[in-house]
Amino acid sequence: NAGVMQNPRHLVRRRGQEARLRCSPMKGHSHVYWYRQLPEEGLKFMVYLQKENIIDESGMPKERFSAEFPKEGPSILRIQQVVRGDSAAYFCASSPRLAGGTNQETQYFGPGTRLLVL
Amino acid sequence: SQQGEEDPQALSIQEGENATMNCSYKTSINNLQWYRQNSGRGLVHLILIRSNEREKHSGRLRVTLDTSKKSSSLLITASRAADTASYFCATDGGSGGGADGLTFGKGTHLIIQP
Repeated sequence: NAGVMQNPRHLVRRRGQEARLRCSPMKGHSHVYWYRQLPEEGLKFMVYLQKENIIDESGMPKERFSAEFPKEGPSILRIQQVVRGDSAAYFCASSPRLAGGTNQETQYFGPGTRLLVL
Repeated sequence: SQQGEEDPQALSIQEGENATMNCSYKTSINNLQWYRQNSGRGLVHLILIRSNEREKHSGRLRVTLDTSKKSSSLLITASRAADTASYFCATDGGSGGGADGLTFGKGTHLIIQP
């Protein structure tokens, strides 16, 4: 039973390029969360998605950042026109859907994608 | 201070000793979780304690929760070198976590000296 998968593990981009980060949740999990971690900091919530729906994007920067979780395939966090300040570790987490429609509180994290913007 | 703030920021102890880390938060919560992160790796879930619970155990871990003080502690007994990592508390709700996202503190960096 594979855990949360993220790829790539490391990504280097030049300023102005696009970064696409992928996350495959654990099997059976229908809820995906994205977090950003700056060096020596804790994780900061960005966005919460279910299949084909963005539920909460209150932590997402208003410009250049977008996220999707299509019916088929992984969740994608997309950063357009990257700047040096986007350099960070980006973590994805997933949780299952319990009977009654609520999500389980425990979130299972992937290994992260470390983005470096030159 | 931010929601889910850990204390101390860094802790260095000898192998075999107990390690205690504290976490304070600001808003009401449904539950509080502790995670471990080894250097350069993802987070590993350790334990979840609900707001109506006061203490919980899991192996060498003991977590307490005092909702009146809005604080939690994580105790690791008989520490091992492999326990060296950063430990984060995370709360549901609160500022910065959205409706269902977790709010993390900056973490306690624990070093176990052999």
